[in-house]
Parts: sequence; C-alpha cells; structure tokens
Amino acid sequence: KNEVEQSPQNLTAQEGEFITINCSYSVGISALHWLQQHPGGGIVSLFMLSSGKKKHGRLIATINIQEKHSSLHITASHPRDSAVYICAVGIIFGKGTRLHILP
Amino acid sequence: GAVVSQHPSRVICKSGTSVKIECRSLDFQATTMFWYRQFPKQSLMLMATSNEGSKATYEQGVEKDKFLINHASLTLSTLTVTSAHPEDSSFYICSARVTGGPSTYGYTFGSGTRLTVV
Repeated sequence: KNEVEQSPQNLTAQEGEFITINCSYSVGISALHWLQQHPGGGIVSLFMLSSGKKKHGRLIATINIQEKHSSLHITASHPRDSAVYICAVGIIFGKGTRLHILP
Repeated sequence: GAVVSQHPSRVICKSGTSVKIECRSLDFQATTMFWYRQFPKQSLMLMATSNEGSKATYEQGVEKDKFLINHASLTLSTLTVTSAHPEDSSFYICSARVTGGPSTYGYTFGSGTRLTVV
C-alpha cells in the first residue's frame, strides 16, 4: 500500500465544473504539499498545509489531520487548469492526478 | 519572488559521458535543496538532500558516486550524473525550502531537466 494515495488517477471534466482531488496518507506529517505539474514537466508549488484550509484564487486546499486526508478543489475550472496535480507528504509523493478540462 | 532557476532544461548526451545540472536560487538563500528524479508516468522520487557547505544525504538505493551533488554556496546546488547510461534517462528536478518572508508556498521548484542518454 502506497503511503500517499491520490484519487482519482485521471479526471476529465467540462470547463466550469467544480473539481475535487483527494489525497490520503498513512505517514506522519509535518506538512502536506499540493503541486501542479504541466506537460513539459515544470512543477509549481500550490499549497503547503499543516491544518485547516487555504485558498488562492480558484484553488482551495483542505486538510483533516485526524482522518489523514486532504482535498484540492478547483472552482470554475478552465482548460488551462489541465495538468497533473501531486500531493506530497514530507518527501513522499503521490502518483498524481491527471486532470483534463475540456473547453 | 522565491525562484529557483534550473539549467539545462533538456540535454542529450552519449553513454559514458557526464552531465551537470544546476539549480540556482535567484532571490533567496537556499541552505537546503532537494533533488528528485521522475521516470515516465511515475511519481517524483527524492534522490538526495543537499546542504550548503556539507555533504549531501542520499536516499537508499541512490549511488552517491554516480550522482555527485555539490552545494558550495547558498544560491547554487549542482547534480552531476557521471558515466551516464541510458537507464539514467529521466526527468530531474530540484526544489528548495523557502524560509522567511511572506510566502504562501513552502517550497519552490526548478523547472526540471529532461536527460536523454543515447
């Protein structure tokens, strides 16, 4: 069993839809990161969370420490949001969720 | 702010040669940088942690004599793949922890280097 598991692995949605990507982990945590990786490989750090909720533009990240679960939400999704979203706990990375937003 | 510049973005080299990848923090001091490798459709895997002025810490299974890491200054860390072989072909990326100052993001990443060994 992977220590950091993401779901779904792949997600296709229509532009404007509300997107949720989930991350469950079994390792001890000091902080959880959500990252975005574009097709060329470049990675952008979206959030670092240790508790509660953070919001940045159309992106919202939440974490429940007791349940060892985090979610990344995208409101009013747009084709430019198409990317792989990666959850990382410490140095352990999930396999990523490949998101494709259709125009 | 908090940008890490990574070069080169792509490199093709012959088997047996060495390749150096640089990561430079442009507007902050990075006392610690992390080096990752990503094979196609796989997740990022931490290779090593580089600390300024001291030896790097390598993850289990990563050959330290093959992947030489130098972090001689607070703004520059390099990864040299020595005697590269086709199985070393991968995507290599660095990151640095951003400390101090207002920042939503705890880590910043280089743009990555796609290495192809032929």
